[in-house]
Amino acid sequence: QKEVEQNSGPLSVPEGAIASLNCTYSDRGSQSFFWYRQYSGKSPELIMFIYSNGDKEDGRFTAQLNKASQYVSLLIRDSQPSDSATYLCAVNKGSGAGSYQLTFGKGTKLSVIP
Amino acid sequence: ETGVTQTPRHLVMGMTNKKSLKCEQHLGHNAMYWYKQSAKKPLELMFVYNFKEQTENNSVPSRFSPECPNSSHLFLHLHTLQPEDSALYLCASSQDYGGRASNTQYFGPGTRLTVL
Repeated sequence: QKEVEQNSGPLSVPEGAIASLNCTYSDRGSQSFFWYRQYSGKSPELIMFIYSNGDKEDGRFTAQLNKASQYVSLLIRDSQPSDSATYLCAVNKGSGAGSYQLTFGKGTKLSVIP
Repeated sequence: ETGVTQTPRHLVMGMTNKKSLKCEQHLGHNAMYWYKQSAKKPLELMFVYNFKEQTENNSVPSRFSPECPNSSHLFLHLHTLQPEDSALYLCASSQDYGGRASNTQYFGPGTRLTVL
């Protein structure tokens, strides 16, 4: 079982719509969850992180965490063409050796159509 | 300069060459990381240094040799690489390694490495 799974996409949404990106993880002890955005040919940049169950909002972005179901999602409201990128989900492994390491998913490619 | 910088940005080398990648962070952080990003694979953590001490080595082949002379600089020395080592090598830094502070990692622009 892959540790962090994301649908590779591409996910296409029209401009102005809500984009919903999902991520599941296998380590039930995971404690911290991150979303990074990576434009083609560029390095990942942190969008937001979430530690507690529920929703966390930052501008047009909302992260949702459900530890019982082991998933974390990212909603992008009023999607813009500039949001077109690959979105990486990253999870802190939680406990044991290397517990402070981030484990990344392969990423979901988002395309916002004008 | 600000943030995390990496040089060179692009590198082409033969399998018998020796080269080094350099990373420098200007954020006052104490932890630095090397990641490998290959096509269609997740980011793979290679090494972690915290306060100049190597904390993690994720079973990386010995042809990759890291060096961290101080908290601001990180090197990755390369020798006798294989074509499958071609990838984007990313450096990152965080406040320290341990607890939640380690999770907020800031990435450099990466070095695109091609091994012929």
